[in-house]
Amino acid sequence: EAGVAQSPRYKIIEKRQSVAFWCNPISGHATLYWYQQILGQGPKLLIQFQNNGVVDDSQLPKDRFSAERLKGVDSTLKIQPAKLEDSAVYLCASSLIAGAISETQYFGPGTRLLVL
Amino acid sequence: AQSVTQPDIHITVSEGASLELRCNYSYGATPYLFWYVQSPGQGLQLLLKYFSGDTLVQGIKGFEAEFKRSQSSFNLRKPSVHWSDAAEYFCAVGARSGNTPLVFGKGTRLSVIA
Repeated sequence: EAGVAQSPRYKIIEKRQSVAFWCNPISGHATLYWYQQILGQGPKLLIQFQNNGVVDDSQLPKDRFSAERLKGVDSTLKIQPAKLEDSAVYLCASSLIAGAISETQYFGPGTRLLVL
Repeated sequence: AQSVTQPDIHITVSEGASLELRCNYSYGATPYLFWYVQSPGQGLQLLLKYFSGDTLVQGIKGFEAEFKRSQSSFNLRKPSVHWSDAAEYFCAVGARSGNTPLVFGKGTRLSVIA
């Protein structure tokens, strides 16, 4: 089966610009996650969707970050305006069953963002 | 809230040697425990997970991990390392109750030398 797809793979922007990332999860997966992975750190959850509803966005900096999951399938994560500290890899993951943390999460290759 | 510590930032082993990567967690009860591997430029791939039952868990690529409640540890092992095992390894802990997300450690980078 096809894995989690993300685009673009790399993005370089200047601070205060905006940027958007796209994720297409594995077909049929109910839950979608966006993680931020700063260099030298483990992934940190930004937002979790269950179908097209938000389950957890407690760690999403809502003054600059936004995310949506259209029709419970694809998702976009936007940063506006970007700051230097947003430089990181943004990982998208999906899992089959809704609301079960025990479920295996399947990760995409990530989008590497550099903010200058 | 749960937390996880991976004490070793970087480990170098010779090809064919055995490997043990350490993971310690903090949680009030028995958590869900996971090991993921991340190769350069790739996303994370699940190696194995522990929920309950047998404390020795077998995973993919010849890896295993042992849950030790008394030590709050979930160390990853492999008897003979291959050059292709060079990657970043992340331990993660999940709560059995509530709606809290997985918490990942900072990772251990494994280098394999000939």
